[in-house]
Amino acid sequence: DIQMTQSPSSLSASVGDRVTITCRASQRISSYLNWYQQKPGKAPELVIYAASSLQSGVPSRFSGSGSGTDFTLTISSLQPEDFATYYCQQSYTTPYTFGQGTKLEIK
Amino acid sequence: QVQLVQSGADVKKPGASVKLSCQASGFTFSDFAIQWVRQAPGQPLEWMGWINAVNGDTKYSQKFQGRVTLTRDTSASTAYMEVTGLRSEDTAVYYCARPRMRGIWFGDFSVWGQGTLVTVSS
Repeated sequence: DIQMTQSPSSLSASVGDRVTITCRASQRISSYLNWYQQKPGKAPELVIYAASSLQSGVPSRFSGSGSGTDFTLTISSLQPEDFATYYCQQSYTTPYTFGQGTKLEIK
Repeated sequence: QVQLVQSGADVKKPGASVKLSCQASGFTFSDFAIQWVRQAPGQPLEWMGWINAVNGDTKYSQKFQGRVTLTRDTSASTAYMEVTGLRSEDTAVYYCARPRMRGIWFGDFSVWGQGTLVTVSS
């Protein structure tokens, strides 16, 4: 199985900050990398697909980059509604695997 | 609107089975492969498998092979997942999800059910 490793596991930031979360795959996955946002008690929501494509309806302050094994999710200017847990997921091959999550908290 | 609606929470004893449902609306059910993902308390997401709604083909994570069965009823636009031999470690929220695009080759999930909490406890 492909292992997905996210860093950091948690992050404290303030409204207006720029934050970056990284995700590394244990083998090359081309651009088959997706990012999800999950708030407590809710289902995940797709934020970025194919490494850098913004899902419809997601604010443009979210962006993704990378290919191969190393990927990043960047939020350019944090808003109060962005505080949540973020997961990366590879869709290169089954079993699809997720990272362990990055909890983004208010400083 | 496009949505997946899942069955309600359930409590089971160790060794029992549970069958969860996921009803689709707002899109053509048979165009998609419905995915199942679970999340144990405080844990990351874990993909379990998919069922191709058009022909019933399935793909399971090796971890769940033999203990999970995915089925569907196209007339009811509903997918089902049965988990047998439940143990305490199976206590989790179980989600169904739909990929962004039609077909079985897409693993980016843009539509999610609300989740079903299954508690396994004696």
